[in-house]
Amino acid sequence: DVKVTQSSRYLVKRTGEKVFLECVQDMDHENMFWYRQDPGLGLRLIYFSYDVKMKEKGDIPEGYSVSREKKERFSLILESASTNQTSMYLCASSPGDRGVTEQFFGPGTRLTVL
Amino acid sequence: GEDVEQSLFLSVREGDSSVINCTYTDSSSTYLYWYKQEPGAGLQLLTYIFSNMDMKQDQRLTVLLNKKDKHLSLRIADTQTGDSAIYFCAPTRPASNYQLIWGAGTKLIIKP
Repeated sequence: DVKVTQSSRYLVKRTGEKVFLECVQDMDHENMFWYRQDPGLGLRLIYFSYDVKMKEKGDIPEGYSVSREKKERFSLILESASTNQTSMYLCASSPGDRGVTEQFFGPGTRLTVL
Repeated sequence: GEDVEQSLFLSVREGDSSVINCTYTDSSSTYLYWYKQEPGAGLQLLTYIFSNMDMKQDQRLTVLLNKKDKHLSLRIADTQTGDSAIYFCAPTRPASNYQLIWGAGTKLIIKP
């Protein structure tokens, strides 16, 4: 079974703190994604990585950065957390094949910024 | 820009059919996916359809695609309480095999 794990299920941080969210997948997938999920807005892509050290901005990259030093690990960094970054953060991975590619999701991290 | 629209809620009686609808703006999506998110669980792929098909059936699930109207639907026959979840429509982004455009999700509520 593909497993995508995220470092925390719940996280509470203060405004201005630097926040690290980590994601690890065990299926040797090329692609990894960070989304945020907000009620009524669905999933919005923050960043996408298609290989080690490679990244692409998604729809809402402002206020976030990412790091992919190893194939299995994709980190999301909030440089200076703000209250409007309170959200559910979802990590996903998928193979780099052509055709149908399923995204496999982690359980999510619910981040609250006070 | 690219957009996917879904109703936020659908309420059906147990045993009835559920039909979840989705409209999208970009007709060049190659694959169109349906994902399911159960309470307290991660998202999982439910089914998908290739853009050159107009129907796909998989047990209780039927996916219909109308490319001309850019309309996708998911029909769940004989809806059960275990079908309670949020259902997301997600076509592939144009010129990308990997990135998806996500709808807001439709919460399916089952009435006894």
